Amino acid sequence: GNSVTQMEGPVTLSEEAFLTINCTYTATGYPSLFWYVQYPGEGLQLLLKATKADDKGSNKGFEATYRKETTSFHLEKGSVQVSDSAVYFCAGGDMNYGGSQGNLIFGKGTKLSVKP
Amino acid sequence: DAGITQSPRYKITETGRQVTLMCHQTWSHSYMFWYRQDLGHGLRLIYYSAAADITDKGEVPDGYVVSRSKTENFPLTLESATRSQTSVYFCASSELTGGLKQPQHFGDGTRLSIL
Repeated sequence: GNSVTQMEGPVTLSEEAFLTINCTYTATGYPSLFWYVQYPGEGLQLLLKATKADDKGSNKGFEATYRKETTSFHLEKGSVQVSDSAVYFCAGGDMNYGGSQGNLIFGKGTKLSVKP
Repeated sequence: DAGITQSPRYKITETGRQVTLMCHQTWSHSYMFWYRQDLGHGLRLIYYSAAADITDKGEVPDGYVVSRSKTENFPLTLESATRSQTSVYFCASSELTGGLKQPQHFGDGTRLSIL
């Protein structure tokens, strides 16, 4: 079945360091891919998305490119800030439940801590 | 304000009790979802709904019941709570526009503890 695998944390970086969080997916077809961010005590917020191969999603300095050949959607940011400390979830469209009904399957999340 | 609201934010109950978690959205989105978030598992889909009166099981539906009599509401009921259902529960909604699956919007969650 479909699955999303992302690197497990926690990840601790110093401010202005480069960030990469790896995400790979196994799916039937080519689902839309998403990165969500969860700040403490809050729900998930969409960070960026890509709907087809070679699409690059970007937002708030974060980027991820949908790589069909490696089935990957790695999240990157060139210079992290303390305010980026959160849990990041990679997600892909899930065809197992309801077919095209927009269900998502999530990775287990990666906790990022950025130190000043 | 437009958005998706979950209530209560926190709930403590005892094993065997019935508890209902509420979810209300103001966008008139067709699709609504319930997830549970547990350490080491990420988010897992419990139930989803494509429209009023249409619901279906997700990955972990056992012990839960849902209903959707109105588009904007999607309550989740634990008929006889068990300790294994202690978790953080998230409701989400989304729309299908022009054949494209739009991103899901999440509520702030309900932290449920079952003693």
